[in-house]
Amino acid sequence: GDSVTQMQGQVTLSEDDFLFINCTYSTTWYPTLFWYVQYPGEGPQLLLKVTTANNKGISRGFEATYDKRTTSFHLQKASVQESDSAVYYCVLGSNTDKVVFGTGTRLQVSP
Amino acid sequence: GPKVLQIPSHQIIDMGQMVTLNCDPVSNHLYFYWYKQILGQQMEFLVNFYNGKVMEKSKLFKDQFSVERPDGSYFTLKIQPTALEDSAVYFCASSRREANERLFFGHGTKLSVL
Repeated sequence: GDSVTQMQGQVTLSEDDFLFINCTYSTTWYPTLFWYVQYPGEGPQLLLKVTTANNKGISRGFEATYDKRTTSFHLQKASVQESDSAVYYCVLGSNTDKVVFGTGTRLQVSP
Repeated sequence: GPKVLQIPSHQIIDMGQMVTLNCDPVSNHLYFYWYKQILGQQMEFLVNFYNGKVMEKSKLFKDQFSVERPDGSYFTLKIQPTALEDSAVYFCASSRREANERLFFGHGTKLSVL
């Protein structure tokens, strides 16, 4: 079945560090790929979305490229801020009714 | 932007009681979801709902769980009877269409079963 793998449970950085969060997926359908961010006490909210292979999604300084060859959708940001501290979920949507969340990566940025 | 409202924000009940969690989805949305999140852990899919029917449910969606949206009102999750392991934050989400569309989440209802 469809699945999403995020190997990093937690990432700890300092302000202005480079962020890289790993995500790989598996599906037999044509996927739509998302990154959602969840701040404390809130529900997840959309960070970015990509529907076409080899396209890049960009939002608020974050970017992710849908790489069909490696079935990956890694999240990057050149310079993180303390306000970026949150949990980041890689999410897979498809032509079915399923929306599959990864296990999430908790980002902690210290000033 | 569009908002999903969840009522109440916190519910405390005794084990064995019934509880109903209410969700007011975005007005023109057609797909509805419930997710469960135990403190500090990942989002876990429970169920999705479209056109008055459950489309898909996970193993976490026990027989004690039910969902409905009578006459386009609240989308509800009912647990009867509750168990201690049902304590968690329950998030409702809605989308215009199926899984390729963006989900809008509420802020969650924290359920504490004593």
